[in-house]
Amino acid sequence: AQSVTQLGSHVSVSEGALVLLRCNYSSSVPPYLFWYVQYPNQGLQLLLKYTSAATLVKGINGFEAEFKKSETSFHLTKPSAHMSDAAEYFCAVGYSGGYQKVTFGTGTKLQVIP
Amino acid sequence: DAGVTQSPTHLIKTRGQQVTLRCSPISGHKSVSWYQQVLGQGPQFIFQYYEKEERGRGNFPDRFSARQFPNYSSELNVNALLLGDSALYLCASSLGGGLDEQYFGPGTRLTVT
Repeated sequence: AQSVTQLGSHVSVSEGALVLLRCNYSSSVPPYLFWYVQYPNQGLQLLLKYTSAATLVKGINGFEAEFKKSETSFHLTKPSAHMSDAAEYFCAVGYSGGYQKVTFGTGTKLQVIP
Repeated sequence: DAGVTQSPTHLIKTRGQQVTLRCSPISGHKSVSWYQQVLGQGPQFIFQYYEKEERGRGNFPDRFSARQFPNYSSELNVNALLLGDSALYLCASSLGGGLDEQYFGPGTRLTVT
C-alpha cells in the first residue's frame, strides 16, 4: 500500500520568504513521487517528478524537492515566494506497477502575504 | 495544441439519476485516467484506460464505469447517484500506460441534490 501525508493544510508565507511544504510518503516498493499545483477552479499541473534518478529534483516556477529515503520525505521548497504562488499543492505517490494509480495527499493551501 | 478538455463544466443531478462525463485527451495521448476530488480533499483515482482497455481501477463501487473510444476520448458513467458523489471529476491524459506525466483537464463539477 502507498500513501502520502502532507503536514499543514494551510501555510502562510510573506512575499519573498522561503516556501517549505512538507510531504512524507509510505510505500512498500521504490516510489515515484510528484508535486502538483492546483489554482482555483482549474485542474492540476505537474510541478516536478522523482523517478529514482537524482534525489534533488528541479521543477517549474522555481520549485524543487529533495527525496530523502531515510526520512521518507519529499518536501517542496522555493527560495522566494511570489504572489502568483498562492494555490493548493498536492504531493502524490505512485509506483511502476504498470499503470497510473497515483495516490494524492490531502493538499496544502499556500497563502502569500504581500 | 489543445489541452485536455472535459464536458460539461458543471452538472446538477438528483439522487438516483445517472450521469455521463466526457473527456478528450491531448492529441497523441493514448491513456486517460479519471479522478474524483471531493471538496477539501486530494484527487482519488477511479480508472485508467490505455488503448481502449481498463488498466487500473481504484476503490470505487460498481456504480462507476468508464470506457475509452477508438479516438482515445473517454466517458465516465455513474449510476444511482448518491449525495456523496458530489465532487469535481478530473480527467488526465498521458502518452503511455505507465507513470508518464499526466496532463489534467479543468474538471466537471457534479452536484447531487
